[in-house]
Amino acid sequence: DVKVTQSSRYLVKRTGEKVFLECVQDMDHENMFWYRQDPGLGLRLIYFSYDVKMKEKGDIPEGYSVSREKKERFSLILESASTNQTSMYLCASEVGSSYNEQFFGPGTRLTVL
Amino acid sequence: KQEVTQIPAALSVPEGENLVLNCSFTDSAIYNLQWFRQDPGKGLTSLLLIQSSQREQTSGRLNASLDKSSGRSTLYIAASQPGDSATYLCAVRLISSGSARQLTFGSGTQLTVLP
Repeated sequence: DVKVTQSSRYLVKRTGEKVFLECVQDMDHENMFWYRQDPGLGLRLIYFSYDVKMKEKGDIPEGYSVSREKKERFSLILESASTNQTSMYLCASEVGSSYNEQFFGPGTRLTVL
Repeated sequence: KQEVTQIPAALSVPEGENLVLNCSFTDSAIYNLQWFRQDPGKGLTSLLLIQSSQREQTSGRLNASLDKSSGRSTLYIAASQPGDSATYLCAVRLISSGSARQLTFGSGTQLTVLP
């Protein structure tokens, strides 16, 4: 079975802090994704990566950056956390083709105070 | 821009009932459509993936159909159980450069199966 893990289930940070969210997949998938999910707004794509050191902006990249130094790991970085970044963050991965299933991690509930 | 709509937003049924969840999308040029389940506070679990060339996919008590020409998909759940209670989301993947790797999600149907 595909396994996508995220470093924390719950995280509480202060405004202005630098925040790292880590995602690891164990199936050698090329593509990895970061979404945020908010009530009434659904899932929105922040960034995705289709190869090591490659990244593309999604629909809402502002205030975020990403890093993919190894194929299995994709990190989301909040350079200076703000209260409007309080959300559920979901990581996903898939084989590098447009015909395949996307698999999700358990999510990180981030609260910025 | 692709829009994905799921109606109703919430549904409550008694245990044992067969039910249908609906998903509609505005752009029929898609690679595939995927159905997910999400339990409260958790990530998404993939249920079924239907390629654009397929009409339906089945897994256990679940059957998903796809009608690309009308921009619709349905998820049929047979003999519903309280453990099926969750939010069900559909997502489509467009055929267009730049967004080919992106899924567009519906807002979900929250299902409650009453014992």
